[in-house]
Amino acid sequence: QKEVEQNSGPLSVPEGAIASLNCTYSDRGSQSFFWYRQYSGKSPELIMSIYSNGDKEDGRFTAQLNKASQYVSLLIRDSQPSDSATYLCAPRKSKLIFGAGTRLAVHP
Amino acid sequence: GAGVSQSPSNKVTEKGKDVELRCDPISGHTALYWYRQSLGQGLEFLIYFQGNSAPDKSGLPSDRFSAERTGGSVSTLTIQRTQQEDSAVYLCASSLEGAIDGQYFGPGTRLLVL
Repeated sequence: QKEVEQNSGPLSVPEGAIASLNCTYSDRGSQSFFWYRQYSGKSPELIMSIYSNGDKEDGRFTAQLNKASQYVSLLIRDSQPSDSATYLCAPRKSKLIFGAGTRLAVHP
Repeated sequence: GAGVSQSPSNKVTEKGKDVELRCDPISGHTALYWYRQSLGQGLEFLIYFQGNSAPDKSGLPSDRFSAERTGGSVSTLTIQRTQQEDSAVYLCASSLEGAIDGQYFGPGTRLLVL
């Protein structure tokens, strides 16, 4: 079983809609998570971190962590075409292992 | 401050030649990581350095790959006798110990083996 699983997508949403990206993980000891965004041809960049159960909001982005169900999600409200990218989640560990990422396409 | 830098940004080499890729991490970051990303694929972990500890080399795909980190700062990834399947983007990242606030990636080196 992979440590982190993500649907590869593409997830296609219309501009202005809410995009929901999900990630499941296998290690119950994982306490916190990071979300990265990777534009095509670019390096990943850290956009959100979540360290405890529940929700964390930052602008249009909300990260959710559910330890009981072992999943973490990223919601993007009012999606914009500029949000089109691949989104990667990773549990915070000394050696970060990434999920394969979900490709999001926001169409006008 | 300055981010992670990598050089060269692009490298074209012939099959069988050796290549060296360089990474300069963010000042003060004790952890350094190398990843490989083939076209359209996810990040493949290669090696991880943390301070003066022995590196975690569990992701290196073959003994043609090696890496070192001098003085706890700059790192060099060496690929010997390159093969066409080594063609990929090689990404370096650095972080504080334990990646407590995430990793910060360099721009990558695009390697093409002809």
